Amino acid sequence: GENVEQHPSTLSVQEGDSAVIKCTYSDSASNYFPWYKQELGKGPQLIIDIRSNVGEKKDQRIAVTLNKTAKHFSLHITETQPEDSAVYFCAARPNRLAFGKGNQVVVIP
Amino acid sequence: DTAVSQTPKYLVTQMGNDKSIKCEQNLGHDTMYWYKQDSKKFLKIMFSYNNKELIINETVPNRFSPKSPDKAHLNLHINSLELGDSAVYFCASSQITANYGYTFGSGTRLTVV
Repeated sequence: GENVEQHPSTLSVQEGDSAVIKCTYSDSASNYFPWYKQELGKGPQLIIDIRSNVGEKKDQRIAVTLNKTAKHFSLHITETQPEDSAVYFCAARPNRLAFGKGNQVVVIP
Repeated sequence: DTAVSQTPKYLVTQMGNDKSIKCEQNLGHDTMYWYKQDSKKFLKIMFSYNNKELIINETVPNRFSPKSPDKAHLNLHINSLELGDSAVYFCASSQITANYGYTFGSGTRLTVV
């Protein structure tokens, strides 16, 4: 089955700086790549996703890039704010979603 | 209107007890899931039902028994609770034929003492 790995496990950034989280996947048949944000005490929420026919997608301060050849995709958060502090999960699917282990992002005011 | 709702939000119980967690979704999805999240935040799939039929049954102790009375509900019953069952349990739903992500509930924090 699909195997998704995330790096780094913890990321600390100064407020206003950019944060980048990278994920790699193993199954070349994967065609859908969502990112989830989990705030303290809440369930994971979908924040952005990308499909395999697109290389990049943006939504305000967040963007996702996909490199199918290298089988990796990344989440970019620009102008980070304290409310961006959360655990972020990447996932990939050819059929069933496989989740990465999560990244703790800490934005330092 | 909550899309995926779980009850209860918190559950504290003694070892050996039997407890249930309920989940309901109003998104019209045909597939529902149970995930376990441990202290390291790893999301581990436990079960999945599609139109009331069990389609994913990971390596989970048989003390855990899911039940889906209809495609909008998926409950989780746990017998003989153990300390290691303490975790946050998330319900999620999706439309299996659509290439979209899952919608998660807000979780049930189970503490076994």
